[in-house]
Amino acid sequence: GAGVSQTPSNKVTEKGKYVELRCDPISGHTALYWYRQSLGQGPEFLIYFQGTGAADDSGLPNDRFFAVRPEGSVSTLKIQRTERGDSAVYLCASSLSPGGGTEAFFGQGTRLTVV
Amino acid sequence: AQTVTQSQPEMSVQEAETVTLSCTYDTSESNYYLFWYKQPPSRQMILVIRQEAYKQQNATENRFSVNFQKAAKSFSLKISDSQLGDTAMYFCAFIGLRAGSYQLTFGKGTKLSVIP
Repeated sequence: GAGVSQTPSNKVTEKGKYVELRCDPISGHTALYWYRQSLGQGPEFLIYFQGTGAADDSGLPNDRFFAVRPEGSVSTLKIQRTERGDSAVYLCASSLSPGGGTEAFFGQGTRLTVV
Repeated sequence: AQTVTQSQPEMSVQEAETVTLSCTYDTSESNYYLFWYKQPPSRQMILVIRQEAYKQQNATENRFSVNFQKAAKSFSLKISDSQLGDTAMYFCAFIGLRAGSYQLTFGKGTKLSVIP
C-alpha cells in the first residue's frame, strides 16, 4: 500500500478480553515501531522491530503486551487480559532503516477502548 | 534519558498570521535529531520538519521554520501565513544517534487552532 495501514481503526472490548491490533507497514520498510498515545499525551514507545526480530521491547508496560512480526512485514500487537488503563490510541510507524536519519511514517492508529 | 517539554498546551492564531510553538529538551547526547510532527483529527502523525543537531543552520520547509538553540536546548517551530489546514496537535520529538537509539521521545503536544 501507499502508506502504513492499521486495523481496526477502532476497537471496543470488555475488561479481561484479549485483543489483536494489526499494522501493515510500507512495502520494503525493515524497521517497524509501535507507540501508545494516551489521552492528552504524546506517543510513548512500546517496541521496535528490525526485520522479524524485536530489537527493543523496553517500552512494553508488562507481560500482558506482546508483539510479533513473523515475516518481517505485517506486525500484530497482542494484549491479554485487557484493563481499562490500556485504553489509548496505538500507533504504528515504519521506516526504511532505523534511527532518525530516515523518516518514520505513521499509520492512523487504532483507538482501543476497554469498558 | 531524554525528556521533551512543550509548555503551551493550547495556542490560537489568526489566519495568515505567524505563530511560534515552543519546545525544550534535555539530553546528555551530543548528536541527535529533533522533529516537529503534526497530528490532525485523523490521528496520523505527519512529519513537518527535521533538524540535525550538528547542523547550525535552522531547517526550513516552505511556511515552516525552526529556531534551534543547541546550548539552550530549545527547538521552536514558526508557522508563517497560517492556514486553516494548520489546525492540529503539534508534537516536538527527539531521537538520539547513539547505537541502539531508535525510539522517538515526544512532548505532550500543543493544540493549535487557526481562526478564520
